[in-house]
Amino acid sequence: GQQVMQIPQYQHVQEGEDFTTYCNSSTTLSNIQWYKQRPGGHPVFLIQLVKSGEVKKQKRLTFQFGEAKKNSSLHITATQTTDVGTYFCAEKRSGGYQKVTFGTGTKLQVIP
Amino acid sequence: GAVVSQHPSRVICKSGTSVKIECRSLDFQATTMFWYRQFPKQSLMLMATSNEGSKATYEQGVEKDKFLINHASLTLSTLTVTSAHPEDSSFYICSARDPKSYEQYFGPGTRLTVT
Repeated sequence: GQQVMQIPQYQHVQEGEDFTTYCNSSTTLSNIQWYKQRPGGHPVFLIQLVKSGEVKKQKRLTFQFGEAKKNSSLHITATQTTDVGTYFCAEKRSGGYQKVTFGTGTKLQVIP
Repeated sequence: GAVVSQHPSRVICKSGTSVKIECRSLDFQATTMFWYRQFPKQSLMLMATSNEGSKATYEQGVEKDKFLINHASLTLSTLTVTSAHPEDSSFYICSARDPKSYEQYFGPGTRLTVT
């Protein structure tokens, strides 16, 4: 099946710099979820966005859902070493078993 | 939050043998569980949907006879990798869906290495 693409694939930033990952789909998404996976760990749910143009914030993290519901972004302000990991966007399909389909992921490295 | 456990966390087996991985929802009953596979530096790919009391639903390209899924109770789903080969080495992650909130909670994963 079609996978949601994320860019960049990898990003190295100096601690204190900002970071943004983008999620793009060729089809309209029912919703967008964001997960963080630390090295060696499992995905941890961060947030879900449902409405067109929705913006949500969690401390230094800002999540945005595009107006056309085909793209999303996660922005981290003033990165810290604890932000290291891979960030995945995902769609929880509506109806049926509500399967979650993950994007390709962006791996973030923070240089102290 | 809800907790989902997996056992074992790591397993090494010889080529040709079978390995069983357990996924348990610890504080809610899950009629639906999901099994994912994640190869190094790649995303999670859904393998199958496990339904309590009925046959699992497999994603396209996943061999049902090789990856046997049994969801015998509302808190336990098992994935058996039969006749494992080195290319089956991967990180297997399950998730369980809370029927009340419809939220999915992920297990800690099982790292399988086939030698």
